[in-house]
Amino acid sequence: GQQVQQSPASLVLQEGENAELQCNFSTSLNSMQWFYQRPGGSLVSLFYNPSGTKQSGRLTSTTVIKERRSSLHISSSQTTDSGTYLCAMDPQQGTGSKLSFGKGAKLTVSP
Amino acid sequence: AQTIHQWPVAEIKAVGSPLSLGCTIKGKSSPNLYWYWQATGGTLQQLFYSITVGQVESVVQLNLSASRPKDDQFILSTEKLLLSHSGFYLCAWSPGLGGLTLYFGAGTRLSVL
Repeated sequence: GQQVQQSPASLVLQEGENAELQCNFSTSLNSMQWFYQRPGGSLVSLFYNPSGTKQSGRLTSTTVIKERRSSLHISSSQTTDSGTYLCAMDPQQGTGSKLSFGKGAKLTVSP
Repeated sequence: AQTIHQWPVAEIKAVGSPLSLGCTIKGKSSPNLYWYWQATGGTLQQLFYSITVGQVESVVQLNLSASRPKDDQFILSTEKLLLSHSGFYLCAWSPGLGGLTLYFGAGTRLSVL
């Protein structure tokens, strides 16, 4: 079954609103990573976050390994934040060479 | 600074024709290298990974093969394309020791007709 569950699948915001994206994992994990996928398809790494909270500008990622979940908070959204956000996990029982991705959360920010 | 370059940017190919996609990483020695594939509207799936020259591990069987002829080069290929090979192919690298922070190339969009 799907190891990584992302929610919501899509989200529409007005510029300035905040967004909260969630990832839940069905198995124990070593670490997880958040990516932004541009409309053209290329991926940008946002956070490598094995545990705890990390912040970069308007983005905050919080991972709770014991509860097998991670969140990505976007504050004061901008139209340029539009795109798909993916989370990926490195499973604990894995060899450390494979990431399992979620299906993504499509964010649309309107002006 | 490390850079990753994928080629070509896009391909339109006929069913049954051969395919070769490439990826080069500069500025990082002995990276781990990966090929990922994403069907339109689908989930990103890892196809292959390589931790050293000449050594490639297959993760998902899609009638594709991969090779690492040089430390900084990763090639994805097949002799006969299927319709199901259409999608978006991404090459990625990660540091060779510890952690799985992935850095992706710009991708190749493949349409098989």
